Amino acid sequence: EPEVTQTPSHQVTQMGQEVILRCVPISNHLYFYWYRQILGQKVEFLVSFYNNEISEKSEIFDDQFSVERPDGSNFTLKIRSTKLEDSAMYFCASSEGTAYNQPQHFGDGTRLSIL
Amino acid sequence: DQQVKQNSPSLSVQEGRISILNCDYTNSMFDYFLWYKKYPAEGPTFLISISSIKDKNEDGRFTVFLNKSAKHLSLHIVPSQPGDSAVYFCAAPTTDSWGKLQFGAGTQVVVTP
Repeated sequence: EPEVTQTPSHQVTQMGQEVILRCVPISNHLYFYWYRQILGQKVEFLVSFYNNEISEKSEIFDDQFSVERPDGSNFTLKIRSTKLEDSAMYFCASSEGTAYNQPQHFGDGTRLSIL
Repeated sequence: DQQVKQNSPSLSVQEGRISILNCDYTNSMFDYFLWYKKYPAEGPTFLISISSIKDKNEDGRFTVFLNKSAKHLSLHIVPSQPGDSAVYFCAAPTTDSWGKLQFGAGTQVVVTP
């Protein structure tokens, strides 16, 4: 069964450094997302992406965050200057259609630890 | 902004018995609901969904029931197996966007032999 794959599985970074989290969505999917889960908290939406542009972003997704689909297969999340509070599990997801009628499929996540 | 609520943080059930997980929502405009299962160190795995035009959807051992008037849905797992031990999330897409899922806090299910 096709899967969403994410790399790396764990990233340790010094505060203030840039980090890029990578995702390969399911190949025929058109809609892409990033979510995060801080330890002990709910899974929360960061951003959705369709047709090579951001469709929606949450309050968390400030100017330090950006997403890109540099080629036909990868989908990346960049955090320009990491903060301690960015420590979380980051999940990439993709779907064939919109969230109103098609399930989003998630990768196994990248654990981001900011020191 | 607690639009999707799972009020039971944990559930323990014996192998072979029924597991019933509950989820409440506050926004009557929600019309599509999903259940995800999550093992430690893995991402949420889609389990089953239901559209608001139905009140029941079944897939093997998993059945989701939707009670729109009560703004309540439940997931039944019959029979429960040890491999079902995981965290279960209910989720719904928000009405103001096409892509944003709102998740409940999750229910940790432990299936005991």
